[in-house]
Amino acid sequence: EAGVTQSPTHLIKTRGQQATLRCSPISGHTSVYWYQQALGLGLQFLLWYDEGEERNRGNFPPRFSGRQFPNYSSELNVNALELEDSALYLCASSLLDQNTEAFFGQGTRLTVV
Amino acid sequence: QKEVEQNSGPLSVPEGAIASLNCTYSDRGSQSFFWYRQYSGKSPELIMFIYSNGDKEDGRFTAQLNKASQYVSLLIRDSQPSDSATYLCAVKIDYNKLIFGAGTRLAVHP
Repeated sequence: EAGVTQSPTHLIKTRGQQATLRCSPISGHTSVYWYQQALGLGLQFLLWYDEGEERNRGNFPPRFSGRQFPNYSSELNVNALELEDSALYLCASSLLDQNTEAFFGQGTRLTVV
Repeated sequence: QKEVEQNSGPLSVPEGAIASLNCTYSDRGSQSFFWYRQYSGKSPELIMFIYSNGDKEDGRFTAQLNKASQYVSLLIRDSQPSDSATYLCAVKIDYNKLIFGAGTRLAVHP
């Protein structure tokens, strides 16, 4: 069974540009989570989607946005990139059940220059 | 108060010893708890999941949950140098929102 897949693996953008990151969850999982992990720091909760709807949002500015498609895959968009947006962006998926595990993709390393 | 708190470490233990990692959480309604291992530059890997009070064992790993004290721990028996990593405690709140502590760095020295 395929795990969570993220693309691209690496992304280099210039300050002010937009970045789009993609995530495909494990088959059957409807919940998708996005996290930002800056170098040497912990996982900061960005967004949680389930059944196509945004269920919760972390303390990030509106230029961080996303969506979930009918097949439960998800996109994270970051507009007006800033140097401090450089980080590892991680996607995880889970069933919509609090007593089930969440599994991560390999992440997208975004570098803003 | 942070929702999930962990000691950042590093926790240094000799090879073969028991490593004990601790985590506290603030939301009394939290129902399920997770331990992930993360090697530098890699994505987190799930190693334990617990939602009932008490102990849960899987190989060299034991997770312990005490909901009354809002405390969850991870014991690693017979620690190996390959266990050296950052261990992340995670909690599901608001039914299915998954949030993380800052992680504890574990260093196992030969």
